[in-house]
Amino acid sequence: DAKTTQPTSMDCAEGRAANLPCNHSTISGNEYVYWYRQIHSQGPQYIIHGLKNNETNEMASLIITEDRKSSTLILPHATLRDTAVYYCIVASGTYKYIFGTGTRLKVLA
Amino acid sequence: NAGVTQTPKFQVLKTGQSMTLQCAQDMNHNSMYWYRQDPGMGLRLIYYSASEGTTDKGEVPNGYNVSRLNKREFSLRLESAAPSQTSVYFCASRGDLTVHPKNTEAFFGQGTRLTVV
Repeated sequence: DAKTTQPTSMDCAEGRAANLPCNHSTISGNEYVYWYRQIHSQGPQYIIHGLKNNETNEMASLIITEDRKSSTLILPHATLRDTAVYYCIVASGTYKYIFGTGTRLKVLA
Repeated sequence: NAGVTQTPKFQVLKTGQSMTLQCAQDMNHNSMYWYRQDPGMGLRLIYYSASEGTTDKGEVPNGYNVSRLNKREFSLRLESAAPSQTSVYFCASRGDLTVHPKNTEAFFGQGTRLTVV
């Protein structure tokens, strides 16, 4: 499974869009990009995933570059409750599901 | 709909004691996982099970054993607990890519906070 690289931390003003990047330059053709977040010490919560097309749901948007080597998670209007650690994972049907170190997002009032 | 249930929620062990962490899911998922998370760190995969009757090592399997008892249950056993195993343990289950690619997100339990003294 491909590895991912994320910035250690980011700040975002409340009400602004939070753009969280993820690099996955060794991604293979059958691997999906997944995003999760973890608030405090709770279990991680699924946000969104995609293969090659951009995806949007009620929580966020996922933008995947055409070469699929990187992606960006967009929280369109960040709130204080979005303060969390965000994890980007690349995985296929090989069943191994490896988390990286994630990005600690702090939303500032 | 309970999702993924872990027991116990908290546990204190003495060095050398053994215990089993229990995990059950009610979503009919084939894949199940055990992770540990040390303070301020990300999740590290201990073991996973792609289907009933199969288990495989993850990133940090030493000191642990697992059993996939049936499709619903996946347990993690510490045979001789050590202080280095003090951590929060998360169990997860995940839908199969081969069944439907839209339903392959992982669902996590609330964690077991284990302290080994």
